[in-house]
Amino acid sequence: DVVMTQSPLSLPVTLGQPASISCRSSQSLVHSDGNTYLNWFQQRPGQSPRRLIYKISNRDSGAPNRFSGSGSGTEFTLKISGVEAEDVGVYYCMQGTRWPWTFGQGTKVEIK
Amino acid sequence: EVQLVESGGGLVQPGESLRLSCAASGFFFRNYWMSWVRQAPGKGLEWVANINQAGSATYYVDSVEGRFTISRDNAKNSLYLQLTSLRVEDTAVYYCAGPLNDHVPDYWGQGTLVTVSS
Repeated sequence: DVVMTQSPLSLPVTLGQPASISCRSSQSLVHSDGNTYLNWFQQRPGQSPRRLIYKISNRDSGAPNRFSGSGSGTEFTLKISGVEAEDVGVYYCMQGTRWPWTFGQGTKVEIK
Repeated sequence: EVQLVESGGGLVQPGESLRLSCAASGFFFRNYWMSWVRQAPGKGLEWVANINQAGSATYYVDSVEGRFTISRDNAKNSLYLQLTSLRVEDTAVYYCAGPLNDHVPDYWGQGTLVTVSS
């Protein structure tokens, strides 16, 4: 299975400051069709996961533009340009390139 | 508006069975792959199973292969997960997720809790 490793696992951030989460995969996430199926989800406390970013850097329509994704191959990053109170929660990277699809352990973002 | 509404969770003993359902609306259900994903209490997310549009192709994570069965009824816009030979470690919130586009679900349901305990 593809192992997804996130860092850090806990991220205290001051309101308005930027934040960055790293995600590394144990194998290349480039699919045979040429796409890289690396996605990011946000899970707020008590809620279901919600997709923020798909295929590395495509932001969902409902996701604020302070969220951005980047990376390639086996290394990927989610950035929040200025953290707001509503961003508190756990963030997961997820690969849909190789079955079984797998998630990272999650990064808990909290306000300092 | 897309809605995915799960039902069927509950408390069961090890070795018992349960059937989860997911009622889908707001999109052409029969045109899309669908998934089940689970989350143990206080833990991370684990993909459980995928099913294609016709129900003729299914994929399972190794930990549930042979015990769980994903299925669908396109006439009823419904997705199912039959859980058998349940183990304590199957305790989790089970989410219905879909439709799948670009190998990822667009939406998630609110989840249904399955608790396996003696």
